[in-house]
Amino acid sequence: EVQLVQSGAEVKKPGESLKISCRCSGYRFTDSWIAWVRQMPGKGLEFIGIIYPDDSDARYSPSFQGQVTISGDKSITTAYLQLNGLKASDSAIYYCARQAGAGKASGSYYLDYWGQGTGVTVSS
Amino acid sequence: EIVLTQSPATLSLSPGERATLSCRASQSVGTSLAWYQQKPGQSPRLLIYHASTKATGVPARFSGSGSGTDFTLTISSLEPEDFALYYCQQRKNWPLFTFGPGTKVEIK
Repeated sequence: EVQLVQSGAEVKKPGESLKISCRCSGYRFTDSWIAWVRQMPGKGLEFIGIIYPDDSDARYSPSFQGQVTISGDKSITTAYLQLNGLKASDSAIYYCARQAGAGKASGSYYLDYWGQGTGVTVSS
Repeated sequence: EIVLTQSPATLSLSPGERATLSCRASQSVGTSLAWYQQKPGQSPRLLIYHASTKATGVPARFSGSGSGTDFTLTISSLEPEDFALYYCQQRKNWPLFTFGPGTKVEIK
């Protein structure tokens, strides 16, 4: 069974950094892209970026470039989203999701399995 | 950048009624369009991909259609558990895919 299990909710102060984890199991971790998606309170889904765990090739939405870092650790089949210089506007739920299909050039795009989400609150 | 527009923003219907949700792309995406359902407090769930292919376990009352710039998600007869938010997603600029703003299907 494919599972993506994210780290727990976080409360941070402005200016701090945060690293959210997404532990993946039930499939070959290195074969599928992992995406990160943000959902601000009461709002829609925003694509943050995506990583191919086999070679750590990470791509970012221009809206998030420079603000976040996506990484992965093959040895523990876990992907990470690091948020730096947190602001109140970073308060949101962050999801990881697996892009369907195997292989770096699978041609897929849809997200077939999702983590449970990690709530982040940034407040002084 | 391709922009996805969903309409209506809110759809108020009764159980048993037919729901028709629209997703329009600012330029052609072929059939590279997916639909997701999100219930309150839950993660999104993949419903449809390639515009019309149902994901595993999706009930037969859900169907997707369209190509190019205009797409439709139809729920033939609403069940109580179908009242939720629905998002479309495209892949034209992979890996920088985008989501639509969503349609809320609420109980009338």
